[in-house]
Order: sequence, then structure tokens, then C-alpha cells
Amino acid sequence: EAGVAQSPRYKIIEKRQSVAFWCNPISGHATLYWYQQILGQGPKLLIQFQNNGVVDDSQLPKDRFSAERLKGVDSTLKIQPAKLEDSAVYLCASSPGQGDYEQYFGPGTRLTVT
Amino acid sequence: DQQVKQNSPSLSVQEGRISILNCDYTNSMFDYFLWYKKYPAEGPTFLISISSIKDKNEDGRFTVFLNKSAKHLSLHIVPSQPGDSAVYFCAASGNTPLVFGKGTRLSVIA
Repeated sequence: EAGVAQSPRYKIIEKRQSVAFWCNPISGHATLYWYQQILGQGPKLLIQFQNNGVVDDSQLPKDRFSAERLKGVDSTLKIQPAKLEDSAVYLCASSPGQGDYEQYFGPGTRLTVT
Repeated sequence: DQQVKQNSPSLSVQEGRISILNCDYTNSMFDYFLWYKKYPAEGPTFLISISSIKDKNEDGRFTVFLNKSAKHLSLHIVPSQPGDSAVYFCAASGNTPLVFGKGTRLSVIA
């Protein structure tokens, strides 16, 4: 079974530029999560999708971050414009259903904003 | 305000000995707890979990203990192996999104 795929693996941009990350969850998994992990911290949930609907986006900085999962499969997370404090690893995870605590994580995208 | 705390950033253990990783939480509404393991350049992988109705859960070399009155859980690895060297995250939920601790880096020395 293929795992959660993410691209790109690394990205360096200047502040005020925009960036997009892509995630393809495990086939058949209804729930998709985007996490932000700042160096030295644990992952923090940004947004949770159930199929193509948003379940929780309470911690998503909506003035600069957006995410979509149009067909209920893969998803993109966008930052526009980026700030220095957005430097982090962005992790995508998926689970078979809503409320599943055991989530399967992708390798992450390391973003550096200079 | 950190709801899940892992107060030891790092831990070194000799191969074959027991590793004990600790986690404290403050939210009494948490009722499910998990441990994730993370290798460099990889995403976290699920290791073991425990519901608040239990005080112990065992899976092979890994055992998680929960002390609800102290709001404390611990992960025991016996015997420790060099391949266990990784960062271990404690996570908790109470019908809410998972809240992760900052992690503890375990180094198992051969």
C-alpha cells in the first residue's frame, strides 16, 4: 500500500512570495490533515478535511493560508504572502474515517522563508 | 499554553536496557493518548495508544502506562535497540484534534 505522498520535499522562498504544497493521501482515506511543525515543536493542526469538506480550520491563519481538497482526494496548501515565521515542516496526514486517532503521515515539506 | 508536555528533550539509553519516556497533560477532557515515532526526514509513524478507560497497554517491546489522577503517561521500551533511536511524540485528544508534545529524542547506544 502506497503511503502519503507530498511534494515538493524542500522549498526556499523569500518573504512576501507565495508557495504551494501538494499532498496525495492513502487511497480510500476520507480524512486529510495538514500540520505545521516548527523546529523544536510538535506538529500543530492547520486544517482537517473530511472528503472535500472542511471539518476544522480553527488554527489556520486565513489571512495568508488557504487549502483545498476539491475532489476529496489530493489536496493543496498555499501560503500567500509568506512570512519569516512560516519557516517550518508542513506535514500531510490521512486516516480512513473522521475521528481516527491513528493518522498516517507523509514525509513533509521543509519550507525556508528568507 | 502547552496542554501536552514532554519535559525531557533528550534521553540516552544503553542497548538492552529500558527506555522510559514521560508525558504530562493539563486538559482533563483528554481521553485518548498516542505515541508517535519520527525518524529524520520522515513523517511521524504511529506506535501505540491508550484509552482513558485503561491504565496500561502493551504491544511487544512497547508499553504505555496512564495515570489519570496525575495526568501523566509514560512509554516503556524493553529491551531498547539501536533502531529505536528517534524522536518520540506524545499526543492527546478529547474529541478534538490531536495535540502533540514537543518530543523527546531517544538515543540508544550500542
